[in-house]
Amino acid sequence: NAGVTQTPKFRVLKTGQSMTLLCAQDMNHEYMYWYRQDPGMGLRLIHYSVGEGTTAKGEVPDGYNVSRLKKQNFLLGLESAAPSQTSVYFCASSHRPWERDNEQFFGPGTRLTVL
Amino acid sequence: AQSVTQLDSQVPVFEEAPVELRCNYSSSVSVYLFWYVQYPNQGLQLLLKYLSGSTLVKGINGFEAEFNKSQTSFHLRKPSVHISDTAEYFCAVREGTGGGNKLTFGTGTQLKVEL
Repeated sequence: NAGVTQTPKFRVLKTGQSMTLLCAQDMNHEYMYWYRQDPGMGLRLIHYSVGEGTTAKGEVPDGYNVSRLKKQNFLLGLESAAPSQTSVYFCASSHRPWERDNEQFFGPGTRLTVL
Repeated sequence: AQSVTQLDSQVPVFEEAPVELRCNYSSSVSVYLFWYVQYPNQGLQLLLKYLSGSTLVKGINGFEAEFNKSQTSFHLRKPSVHISDTAEYFCAVREGTGGGNKLTFGTGTQLKVEL
């Protein structure tokens, strides 16, 4: 099993450009998450999904959109990138919270720089 | 709303010495607690978790943590650290089994093990 994978690993954008980050998991998890990690701030939840076709806002959703068209994939989009979105982005997935072994599994991260 | 405080942003320690990384949380409901480790340029990996039962939880790599409800703490300990334990450690809390299984993370503690 590959676990949670993220594409791309690195990306540099200019202000105003758009891009999509792809997260894929092969563990048949219902729940998926997107976080951003900034120095001294830990991880903050951007959006999450509790199943195929569903999405919900997290702590810092502004400037991002997400889609979960297939159970195994969770896409994070930036429509008009801003320097404040320079960060490391992590995807995670988990079973439903009332199930056994429901911890979140994390991908390796995408380092995004917006100039 | 729940929150997590990791008071120490950096903890230097000599190899083979014991270490304690502190974590305090605030929540008005029952919680589930986690410690994750992040090695340089990698994603987060689960060290251990407290869901219920014994308040002393053992994890991977010789780490353990103790849940103290009265002090709302979940400190991480290791009796003898190794150079390979150098990493950033995150404490996280989840409230109950609803709400999207969302985690709230602390700001992280950088553990630096020196010879």
